[in-house]
Amino acid sequence: EAGVTQFPSHSVIEKGQTVTLRCDPISGHDNLYWYRRVMGKEIKFLLHFVKESKQDESGMPNNRFLAERTGGTYSTLKVQPAELEDSGVYFCASSQDYGGPNFGPGTRLLVL
Amino acid sequence: EDQVTQSPEALRLQEGESSSLNCSYTVSGLRGLFWYRQDPGKGPEFLFTLYSAGEEKEKERLKATLTKKESFLHITAPKPEDSATYLCAVQDGNSGGSNYKLTFGKGTLLTVNP
Repeated sequence: EAGVTQFPSHSVIEKGQTVTLRCDPISGHDNLYWYRRVMGKEIKFLLHFVKESKQDESGMPNNRFLAERTGGTYSTLKVQPAELEDSGVYFCASSQDYGGPNFGPGTRLLVL
Repeated sequence: EDQVTQSPEALRLQEGESSSLNCSYTVSGLRGLFWYRQDPGKGPEFLFTLYSAGEEKEKERLKATLTKKESFLHITAPKPEDSATYLCAVQDGNSGGSNYKLTFGKGTLLTVNP
């Protein structure tokens, strides 16, 4: 079974630019989550999709972040325009039910 | 607000020296407590889920236990390959919005020297 995949693995952009992160969950997993770890802090929840619907986006920092999940398959997280404080590691995870989700390797974002 | 505190922040052991990691939590309605292992540059890897006080789960040299206020991850006779960051997370069944989301602690960095 292929795991959760994320692209790109690393991204370095300048403040004010736009970046789009992609996540491909494990096939058949209806639940897809985005989390973020900022340096020195714990991993924090951003949002939760059930199929193509947003179940909870209470963790999204502000309206510069936009997440979509096309047809209930892959998901994208767009940051526009990026700010310095957006730097961190963005993790995607997926699960069949409320059990422990499987995490991807993360995308390391650095905003200069 | 749900809170998870892990201690110690870092732990250095000699190979074969058993020890325990602690995870204290505050949650309005615990649905599950999760342990993950994270290696440098990788995503968290699922280890265990515990659902109720008194429950125990084991996997190789690791054993996780749960009380109403904390969980322990016991490591018996660790090997260098057990070196990693161990993360604890809780799932609150009473949270607004998604009660599938996890609240993480900062983790314990374990180093096992040969």
